[in-house]
Amino acid sequence: EIVLTQSPGTLSLSAGERATLSCRASQSVSKSYLVWYQQKPGQAPRLLIYGASSRATGIPDRFSGSGSGTDFTLTISRLEPEDFAVYYCQQYGSSPCTFGQGTKLEIK
Amino acid sequence: QLQLQESGPGLVKPSETLSLTCTVSGGSITNYYWSWIRQPPGKGLEWIGYIYYTGSTTYNPSLKSLISISLDTSKNQFSLTLSSVTAADTAVYYCARHGSPNWGSHFFDYWGHGALVTVSS
Repeated sequence: EIVLTQSPGTLSLSAGERATLSCRASQSVSKSYLVWYQQKPGQAPRLLIYGASSRATGIPDRFSGSGSGTDFTLTISRLEPEDFAVYYCQQYGSSPCTFGQGTKLEIK
Repeated sequence: QLQLQESGPGLVKPSETLSLTCTVSGGSITNYYWSWIRQPPGKGLEWIGYIYYTGSTTYNPSLKSLISISLDTSKNQFSLTLSSVTAADTAVYYCARHGSPNWGSHFFDYWGHGALVTVSS
């Protein structure tokens, strides 16, 4: 199975700053079948990005995804207070689909 | 607006069987894939398995011998059973809809709120 490694484990930033989160796969993700989710405490994950770079319905354009092969990035251009959460990547290019361990984005 | 709601016992004894049901409202269960995903407290996410509205299933190989997913289209529900549970199966269990009716779109756009299941005697 494909192992996804997210970095950093924790990212401390201030509102208004730019956040760059990384997701690296142990082997190439077929067709860039990679998504990003946001999860807040006590809530289910929320789909942000699918197909590596397509924003899900209702997701603000400050969220963007990029990458292919084994290296993927989620960028939040200007952090809003509600963006501080845990972010997970997930690949669905091969079975079983797998998740990264998460990056916690915390307020500095 | 599509909504998913998990239901089932919150406490299961070791070696017994965990059973959960997901009720889908605001839309039909047909034409989509539906998954179960779990998250141990304070940890990451693990995909358990999915079912298509036709009844065909695919399971995570790490759990394949222990799990079964079924559906009842007349009730717009699908269910999970996990046998021979241990403390390691303590987790929040989510049901979720796959992002597209197309095969291969195995990501999740609608999620239930999650059901905490604790395995303890």
